[in-house]
Amino acid sequence: GAVVSQHPSRVICKSGTSVKIECRSLDFQATTMFWYRQFPKQSLMLMATSNEGSKATYEQGVEKDKFLINHASLTLSTLTVTSAHPEDSSFYICSASVSGAEGDTQYFGPGTRLTVL
Amino acid sequence: AQSVAQPEDQVNVAEGNPLTVKCTYSVSGNPYLFWYVQYPNRGLQFLLKYITGDNLVKGSYGFEAEFNKSQTSFHLKKPSALVSDSALYFCAVRDTDTGGFKTIFGAGTRLFVKA
Repeated sequence: GAVVSQHPSRVICKSGTSVKIECRSLDFQATTMFWYRQFPKQSLMLMATSNEGSKATYEQGVEKDKFLINHASLTLSTLTVTSAHPEDSSFYICSASVSGAEGDTQYFGPGTRLTVL
Repeated sequence: AQSVAQPEDQVNVAEGNPLTVKCTYSVSGNPYLFWYVQYPNRGLQFLLKYITGDNLVKGSYGFEAEFNKSQTSFHLKKPSALVSDSALYFCAVRDTDTGGFKTIFGAGTRLFVKA
């Protein structure tokens, strides 16, 4: 149980284009979903917290107009990287929380590797 | 502000030997503590967590961790390492004082288990 999927697993795009990444909780309803970014050989950096039906809460330094997050249902959140540039190339990982309680475990998706040419 | 430190970039262990991956934390309130494992080009897999109760927490794949409040540590252990345990391990902390879900991850420790 508690499986989270991401699509696509890998994407290559040209500079200036937009890319949408989907995060789905497959066997549970996720009240809260999270988006992280991971640089090579580094830890995860929380970008934003997304609650179903409301606006995402972005971490300091993360541009909300550049990284658009939509959490339209309890099983789907999307991250759109708008007008992507090479510096946006990274490994993007989503996670989902089952119950919304503070001590709840986050279950992570397999990640999406974005390469911007 | 909460923080978490994994003092070792890499840990090398022979198969069959016990392993320890160290983690220390800093929070203003009570901590929720987590260990995750990451395989190459994959997301993180949950191993175990400490929320409250018994200081010794047992998790997946034979791993366990001990919460030590006085030393603010939550070291990950396994009595007998397997080659398949080789991966990147992340310790994470959530501060109950600040509330919410913000989870801070350590820099990660790469574990190499040699046959």
